[in-house]
Formats: sequence, structure tokens, C-alpha cells
Amino acid sequence: SQQGEEDPQALSIQEGENATMNCSYKTSINNLQWYRQNSGRGLVHLILIRSNEREKHSGRLRVTLDTSKKSSSLLITASRAADTASYFCARSTSYGKLTFGQGTILTVHP
Amino acid sequence: EAGVVQSPRYKIIEKKQPVAFWCNPISGHNTLYWYRQNLGQGPELLIRYENEEAVDDSQLPKDRFSAERLKGVDSTLKIQPAELGDSAVYLCASSQVVSQETQYFGPGTRLLVL
Repeated sequence: SQQGEEDPQALSIQEGENATMNCSYKTSINNLQWYRQNSGRGLVHLILIRSNEREKHSGRLRVTLDTSKKSSSLLITASRAADTASYFCARSTSYGKLTFGQGTILTVHP
Repeated sequence: EAGVVQSPRYKIIEKKQPVAFWCNPISGHNTLYWYRQNLGQGPELLIRYENEEAVDDSQLPKDRFSAERLKGVDSTLKIQPAELGDSAVYLCASSQVVSQETQYFGPGTRLLVL
């Protein structure tokens, strides 16, 4: 069973707007990762944040982690149509084991 | 650098038939993973290999699923016999060593069981 819950399940925005996706989990983690999946394709790793980190940036991506609330958020700034995809958070609790959430479907309209 | 290669990309079979999926990980990656992704869900780990050894197969339905990784490189995942509920995307991923936390995914094999 999956123990990462993502919110919202679907998000529809206009190009140029920011997109925020949230992820909650139930047990302690070593790190939390975000992946993107384009339709019919494999997953692509976006960013990893460790349990002792609170915020991390990569280009237009910003990830925060609040271990006290067992939650993380992914912010995509100045979204583009090419950002349209499903986004998954995955928590790592032991060596090599990732547990994925059900994902957020992001649609960016040109 | 070539990514994770999977074949076939699509497979349609009738229930009770056998099916096999093949994965070639990124060169030099010792750890290989098989995931199953149901429609509208995230991937779920089926089995993880470190070199040729299966170190985590707790989620693999062993009555009908089997996997092997000969010589610690390519891997094959087999279902025999397939059931309707096995329809899903089967993803293979690899990482250089188990301690490298980023996993690199292949495009997946989409299986439809009729």
C-alpha cells in the first residue's frame, strides 16, 4: 500500500502561474524525493530533500520539508506548458526503498 | 549515456497466458528495481536486486510472479499465468549503488490482460 498522500489530485493552471503540490506521509523518513512522469513515459527524478533539510531549490523548483508535520511541498514557479505531467513524492525509509504517493496531475494551459 | 531500456513497450495477452518483461539497466548500475504502476497510482516496488541477488522481494506475488537477474546486469520479470488484475505498467529502475538514492526509470511496459 502507498503511504504518501498527495494533494491536490489534479491541478489546472495557466502558463506563467505557480503550481504547488503537497505530500504527507505517516512514518519517519531518511529523505523525500519528487519525480515527474509524462504521459506514457517513465519517471524522472526532480529533487531530493533529506530529513535534516527544510528547503531546497533547483531551477524553477522549490521543495520544502516539515518533518514535524510529516509533509512536503513542491512549488513550480512560472509554469510552462511543458510542465504538464504527473508529479509524485516518494519517501525513502530504508536503503533503496521508495514508497510513492498517488501523484498530482498538473495541467498547464498555454 | 543510454538510459534504462525496457521491452516490450506494450503487451496484450489473454488471461492465463504467460508474459515476460525485459530490462537492461544503465551501465554500471548495480541495483535494479521492478515496480508495478496501476492506473492513477504511483509505482509500487515488486523486487529489488543488488547485483544478482534479490534483496527485497517481499511485495512480489510469488505464486505467479518470478524474476531473475543473470550475471547482475539484465533482468527479466515473468508472470505465469497472468490474471486480469495484472494489467498495469511495469517499470524497471536502476541506481549505481543502493546508497545512491536517485533511481533512474525506464519507459515501462504497459500490460493489458484480456
